[in-house]
Amino acid sequence: QSVLTQPPSASGTPGQRVTISCSGSSSNIGSNTVNWYQQLPGTAPKLLIYSNNQRPSGVPDRFSGSKSGTSASLAISGLQSEDEADYYCAAWDDSLNASVFGGGTKLTVL
Amino acid sequence: QMQLVQSGAEVKKTGSSVKVSCKASGYTFTYRYLHWVRQAPRQALEWMGWITPFNGNTNYAQKFQDRVTITRDRSMSTAYMELSSLRSEDTAMYYCASLGASDAFDIWGQGTMVTVSS
Repeated sequence: QSVLTQPPSASGTPGQRVTISCSGSSSNIGSNTVNWYQQLPGTAPKLLIYSNNQRPSGVPDRFSGSKSGTSASLAISGLQSEDEADYYCAAWDDSLNASVFGGGTKLTVL
Repeated sequence: QMQLVQSGAEVKKTGSSVKVSCKASGYTFTYRYLHWVRQAPRQALEWMGWITPFNGNTNYAQKFQDRVTITRDRSMSTAYMELSSLRSEDTAMYYCASLGASDAFDIWGQGTMVTVSS
């Protein structure tokens, strides 16, 4: 059971916009920034969004993040087949004194 | 470019220990916290702990507190994660990840597969 809650799956057709939610609590998302990671099949995770809504160099602006209270969201617009991957949210938890991840969301491009 | 290169796959017996290495290059090793994250087959990412390469301070997830030891060799720019009393549930891919100024894991190792069997 992950500390951060994500839907196990999401899907969309090419060109569509999809969002993935991440729910936490006051000790993690509520008091710290949220990061998102993309994990393509058979590869290591890759940083996609940091500090709630910032994109590292090289990440397309089709990817965006937001945070409100104890929840965060990742949005992907103009969905492409290469976006098919697992997506994880993460944050520091002050009560656990640990980094916590969501359970991951498997995105399927139909 | 900044990168982390991990040691190769391991097959271990139940009850034994495994030590995985993670060599940093392309940046000053002592400037960034180094974390370990594992992923069991078809499961989510799970944080294990970190080390401060500068002074060797560590912090472990409660779940692994009694079984994990993270160390570093500054001269080799290498961190190590040792997990003891292995059980089948420890079969997983183990990743090292470097924490950037943004408080995000912006550099990841390629992963080390550890298989535990009796």
